Amino acid sequence: GESVGLHLPTLSVQEGDNSIINCAYSNSASDYFIWYKQESGKGPQFIIDIRSNMDKRQGQRVTVLLNKTVKHLSLQIAATQPGDSAVYFCAENSGGSNYKLTFGKGTLLTVNP
Amino acid sequence: DVKVTQSSRYLVKRTGEKVFLECVQDMDHENMFWYRQDPGLGLRLIYFSYDVKMKEKGDIPEGYSVSREKKERFSLILESASTNQTSMYLCASSPRGVGNQPQHFGDGTRLSIL
Repeated sequence: GESVGLHLPTLSVQEGDNSIINCAYSNSASDYFIWYKQESGKGPQFIIDIRSNMDKRQGQRVTVLLNKTVKHLSLQIAATQPGDSAVYFCAENSGGSNYKLTFGKGTLLTVNP
Repeated sequence: DVKVTQSSRYLVKRTGEKVFLECVQDMDHENMFWYRQDPGLGLRLIYFSYDVKMKEKGDIPEGYSVSREKKERFSLILESASTNQTSMYLCASSPRGVGNQPQHFGDGTRLSIL
């Protein structure tokens, strides 16, 4: 079946560097995407979302890019800090549903001081 | 900020027990969800509710039921707990709104069935 997936299960970066976390999706009918951050012992925390009528959206130190041609989503974190260390995963709205999400399995980001 | 509160952070129960997991949200959201999270499998939807007394099966409803008697509260029930239901359980809520809205999660209940 169609599912959300990630290219890299782990990513290690130096403090101050920029981080890029990737996500591939296969459901061409999906039109809403979310990035979550999950720290150890906590629930997923909403970071940023993007709708399919946009290619790019920026937040505080984060940017999400959407490439519908190749069904690819990425999260860019600028000037990565130790507090950014967490599992990041993407979600899509399962073929256009307005409340049901399909989640990727996650990428572990480790920031080295 | 949205606050989703799960009643227990850790819970240990025995096989065959009836287990209740409680979730409360304070943002008047119409939609509420129960997921389980297992290593290597990600988040899987058990049940969701889009209104009081309404419920829909998710991807893995077997062995579970839910109750939504009030808008702010969504309960997950393990009718007869089994060891394969040992997992992290996450509750989430989202507004109905126009178009898609993000789901907001609680901090989870780590349930162990012995």
